[in-house]
Amino acid sequence: SQQGEEDPQALSIQEGENATMNCSYKTSINNLQWYRQNSGRGLVHLILIRSNEREKHSGRLRVTLDTSKKSSSLLITASRAADTASYFCATAPYNFNKFYFGSGTKLNVKP
Amino acid sequence: GAVVSQHPSWVICKSGTSVKIECRSLDFQATTMFWYRQFPKQSLMLMATSNEGSKATYEQGVEKDKFLINHASLTLSTLTVTSAHPEDSSFYICSASGTDSYEQYFGPGTRLTVT
Repeated sequence: SQQGEEDPQALSIQEGENATMNCSYKTSINNLQWYRQNSGRGLVHLILIRSNEREKHSGRLRVTLDTSKKSSSLLITASRAADTASYFCATAPYNFNKFYFGSGTKLNVKP
Repeated sequence: GAVVSQHPSWVICKSGTSVKIECRSLDFQATTMFWYRQFPKQSLMLMATSNEGSKATYEQGVEKDKFLINHASLTLSTLTVTSAHPEDSSFYICSASGTDSYEQYFGPGTRLTVT
């Protein structure tokens, strides 16, 4: 990808389990954002974490950011079948108002 | 919330023809708009960044003569795929940002199929 990689590429879990996705990026950033995309649809913004933040919560979502390792993780707790989608991280480099997307993780939550 | 629309949502065209895709910010002024391309089962690739009233900045490897971008107003940007070929078939997504340049609002995407 233009900016970084995500792992795993695919993740299959049972409803009720937690799902963790990781994102690594290459350059210094101003912020990192996570998006969700259902198959063939547009993007849904989930959460933004700034470079001076280490952790952020939003409902069942928890995002961490480690700028020293240039990595972030997205945790979805108590997953639901409706969480099935692809999840992308996007980074905004310093001094550039543009995004670069990671390679994405395809999450399948089995009912 | 900020809403971005795209038109058309899908289009089928013949090889060699040109196709125009519109991206509109409906309830805010978009000083910057971005165009992305997404091939099946892949991530979004940034194609270009356009600021209202100035020429677009293209990412490395994106042909500016093939993908013409116009950002003539604070609410409208267009992407024209010229002399389209089957390999241009893709999902094209635009986004827009306003005064807070680190918030981007994404359109629903346009699926282009070139036959």
